[in-house]
Amino acid sequence: AQSVTQLGSHVSVSEGALVLLRCNYSSSVPPYLFWYVQYPNQGLQLLLKYTSAATLVKGINGFEAEFKKSETSFHLTKPSAHMSDAAEYFCAVSYRAGNMLTFGGGTRLMVKP
Amino acid sequence: DTGVSQDPRHKITKRGQNVTFRCDPISEHNRLYWYRQTLGQGPEFLTYFQNEAQLEKSRLLSDRFSAERPKGSFSTLEIQRTEQGDSAMYLCASSMGTGGQETQYFGPGTRLLVL
Repeated sequence: AQSVTQLGSHVSVSEGALVLLRCNYSSSVPPYLFWYVQYPNQGLQLLLKYTSAATLVKGINGFEAEFKKSETSFHLTKPSAHMSDAAEYFCAVSYRAGNMLTFGGGTRLMVKP
Repeated sequence: DTGVSQDPRHKITKRGQNVTFRCDPISEHNRLYWYRQTLGQGPEFLTYFQNEAQLEKSRLLSDRFSAERPKGSFSTLEIQRTEQGDSAMYLCASSMGTGGQETQYFGPGTRLLVL
């Protein structure tokens, strides 16, 4: 069975500050890992994904994430927060056989001016 | 560029009524997924299709839920005898490929409220 834990359901940062959203996974097989962003009343949009190539993955809007197998983590970072980054962020895991995504509970990012 | 579309975007119904939602995937995507998202939670997988074949339906929440994808194109999700606990956002996604690493593209969702 696979699961995803996102530490911190709410994260607040100041504009221009570092963004760090945490994601830990549990999987009995090598995982594929994804970060999605959801703006109010919208569907989910892919930020980036890890598919066993480079462990440091760069995504859209300046976000990146690093796959650390020893820590079973896939934390999302952005060097400098922008007001437009305020949204809900979801980490998800899948594996080869099914491609069904298992999502974490989400982290709501708030950006203060 | 047409993404995944869902209809209706909002549905209000009374307890006990049946509802049906439609999803139109990105053209030529062979896989189509349904998820449910309740307030403050991440999406929860329900079922998926590869072309017209429903490959996984054990995660459907009860036998009141059913889904079809009759010609391998659009899909419908039906909930019979709705209950207040069915109130949620129902998300559809599509992807191309079968390997597990493909990106799933999500639609805007159908928000269901059961009174």
